[in-house]
Amino acid sequence: AQSVAQPEDQVNVAEGNPLTVKCTYSVSGNPYLFWYVQYPNRGLQFLLKYITGDNLVKGSYGFEAEFNKSQTSFHLKKPSALVSDSALYFCAVRRETSGSARQLTFGSGTQLTVLP
Amino acid sequence: DGGITQSPKYLFRKEGQNVTLSCEQNLNHDAMYWYRQDPGQGLRLIYYSQIVNDFQKGDIAEGYSVSREKKESFPLTVTSAQKNPTAFYLCASSEASRLTDTQYFGPGTRLTVL
Repeated sequence: AQSVAQPEDQVNVAEGNPLTVKCTYSVSGNPYLFWYVQYPNRGLQFLLKYITGDNLVKGSYGFEAEFNKSQTSFHLKKPSALVSDSALYFCAVRRETSGSARQLTFGSGTQLTVLP
Repeated sequence: DGGITQSPKYLFRKEGQNVTLSCEQNLNHDAMYWYRQDPGQGLRLIYYSQIVNDFQKGDIAEGYSVSREKKESFPLTVTSAQKNPTAFYLCASSEASRLTDTQYFGPGTRLTVL
């Protein structure tokens, strides 16, 4: 069965510094991977996804993610963090099920805090 | 939060009551989903629907029921059989096509049992 792990519950970074939020996955077939962000008491906002193609995926708000097949990782990155990036970040992998509605398995989330 | 609305934003339930959470989308998406979010546990799938008049149980369906009478609407009922219903509930939708089925989420409903 597929799974996704976010090894860090909390990441702190100073404003202006690069940030990385880690995600590793386990699937038997082709991995389809997603990153979402959640602000307090709000729904999840889609940031980016990897389906196929370039290993570096660019998304919303200046975020990007690097797909690494050999390390089974899909880390979220941003060159220069903003205080407004402080939020809860979720990595997700598409489940290996039949049918057109593809379910997702979510990681437990990483709380990112950007310090001014 | 796109074209997905959830109501109410906050809901309080007494023990033994059934309550219904609303989810509406104007994205013309075929698939809709309900998730439950608890602190430190990420999102868990309750029910999903690929098409009108069809729905499937997710990972934690016990104590919940849904209907899908219209493409735009996927209400979730939290029944008295759900022993620990206090949580943040999120609805999502997607096109359900093979490659472009990004799920888009509503703003959520926070349910509290009194």
